[in-house]
Amino acid sequence: DSGVTQTPKHLITATGQRVTLRCSPRSGDLSVYWYQQSLDQGLQFLIQYYNGEERAKGNILERFSAQQFPDLHSELNLSSLELGDSALYFCASSLTSDYEQYFGPGTRLTVT
Amino acid sequence: AQSVSQHNHHVILSEAASLELGCNYSYGGTVNLFWYVQYPGQHLQLLLKYFSGDPLVKGIKGFEAEFIKSKFSFNLRKPSVQWSDTAEYFCARRNYGGSQGNLIFGKGTKLSVKP
Repeated sequence: DSGVTQTPKHLITATGQRVTLRCSPRSGDLSVYWYQQSLDQGLQFLIQYYNGEERAKGNILERFSAQQFPDLHSELNLSSLELGDSALYFCASSLTSDYEQYFGPGTRLTVT
Repeated sequence: AQSVSQHNHHVILSEAASLELGCNYSYGGTVNLFWYVQYPGQHLQLLLKYFSGDPLVKGIKGFEAEFIKSKFSFNLRKPSVQWSDTAEYFCARRNYGGSQGNLIFGKGTKLSVKP
């Protein structure tokens, strides 16, 4: 158990819908990262937050957005879902950008 | 752009065999390197990390890795694998650019250990 929690574990939804994935970082960690894991793309960085502020963006689609709240939990919002968005979405946290990242159990999203 | 490449897509070994998984990283910037393991259906777990200092890094579960700067390599090794080491292994480097700190992953190497 890494100390990073993610909900829900599984999510099945239809194309065109919107979903919200939630992540709680390890106690004391200020940085939160979101990654997408798919068979064809591998592990891709989506977005990073540090202490409530967006720090860096990776290969995140415009249909996706995220935020980090004052209690440091983070949410990833995926809208206008397409079949190709089906993937595992991982959240990771670290004390700051300079420290190792610990990963949550992931949310498996299936878009039908 | 910074990148990480892993040479082997799938490695099959018998129990007690020695393991070496290759990883090469692209030149440039501060080098922080990691190996993560993903057991079937589970999340990524940190095996070991290299930030600086001794290039031979020891991690959990008997794994070690050697940082060779001249070869841009960070290979993972284990002297004797067990069936429970069956998993996918990912090499990663930290992306240093501005205030970024995200990880750049290789494609992963699937390890199957036959009992």
